[in-house]
Parts: sequence; structure tokens; C-alpha cells
Amino acid sequence: DTAVSQTPKYLVTQMGNDKSIKCEQNLGHDTMYWYKQDSKKFLKIMFSYNNKELIINETVPNRFSPKSPDKAHLNLHINSLELGDSAVYFCASSWSTDTQYFGPGTRLTVL
Amino acid sequence: AQKITQTQPGMFVQEKEAVTLDCTYDTSDQSYGLFWYKQPSSGEMIFLIYQGSYDEQNATEGRYSLNFQKARKSANLVISASQLGDSAMYFCAMREWGDSNYQLIWGAGTKLIIKP
Repeated sequence: DTAVSQTPKYLVTQMGNDKSIKCEQNLGHDTMYWYKQDSKKFLKIMFSYNNKELIINETVPNRFSPKSPDKAHLNLHINSLELGDSAVYFCASSWSTDTQYFGPGTRLTVL
Repeated sequence: AQKITQTQPGMFVQEKEAVTLDCTYDTSDQSYGLFWYKQPSSGEMIFLIYQGSYDEQNATEGRYSLNFQKARKSANLVISASQLGDSAMYFCAMREWGDSNYQLIWGAGTKLIIKP
């Protein structure tokens, strides 16, 4: 069984469109994260939710909006996509401050 | 200032040799944890090993061990008897327990290529 899953795995879209990436974890963790990995492989934290409460909200454009309907899900919605949004987006989860486990990533390409 | 420094952007190692990937960190916290992750070309991020600042022994997980030198603030990953499947990006990360927002601080990564 997949521990942290993301859909879709690949997302190709036009500039200006709105898209969502979904994340689910079945590990019973209470904390979930969104990361962006750029073309140089640098990982940047975007958001983190603990028990559905936003605890990390790094400096990202407000076109990015996370939503956590329950502790097992953390979705990322992106409005008005731009070329610079092209990257791999990773969801991760952890039990409190313990080890983070990552999803397979979503490769977003904005044309 | 960089809190996590991985000085080797890339490394080539002969198969079956041992590999040491460097990681130095900077923190004023007494309580912290250090993590290593592997990212193969398929893209997923795989947790490898963890070392807590108060752990007296170096962490080991199979062929992975962490050479933790607290006074030097280094947490090098050692891979014994390297295999072709070890070719990947390797990331070092730190969590400072004084940071209440659960954030991991990441290094820039080292690309390891194992030569047959």
C-alpha cells in the first residue's frame, strides 16, 4: 500500500490555467507538507499543516493555496499558472516533528 | 549563512567501494536532528537514516551509516560496498527542535554516480 500518494504524477498545462494537485497519506500522521523542487534540485518548503492547521506558510505567491480537508489529505491549488511554476511538487507527511515521508512527486510543466 | 552545507556537488565512485558524502551544519540549538534522503533518477525522495544530537552512537541502517562528529558539526553519510543502484542525489537535512514550526532545513544535495 502506498504510504503517501499524489495525483497526478505529471501535469502539463498552459499559462494562465488553474490546476490542483492532491495528496493523501495513510500513515496516520498528523502533519503534512508541500515542497517545491526546482530544476537545480533545490527543495523549498511551501506549506505545512498540523492537524489541519496551517503552521508553515513560506513566502510563496498567493496564487498557491493549500487546503487540508482532513488530517490525511493536503491539496495544493494553483491559480493563473506561470512559466516559473514549472517544477516538481512533493507532498510529505510526518508524525509531529519526526521523519518526513515523501510522495512520488508531481512534475508540473507550464507551457 | 548556509545552515546545511554539502560541499560535493557531484561524485564518481567505483562500484563496491565505500562512499562518504559530506554534510556540515550550523546551529546554536543543543537539540536537533539530522536526516539523509536519497533521490534516484526516478524522482522519489527516500528517507535513509536519522541521527539525533544526543545520540551517543552513530546511526546505522544496513549499508548506510552516519559519521556524526558533533564538535565539528558534521554528519557525513557513509555507504559501504556501493552498488549501481546507489547512483542518485543525496540530501542532508536538519531539524532544530527549538523551531516550533516543524521545518526541515535542506542542503543543496550531492549527485553520486557509481561506475561499474
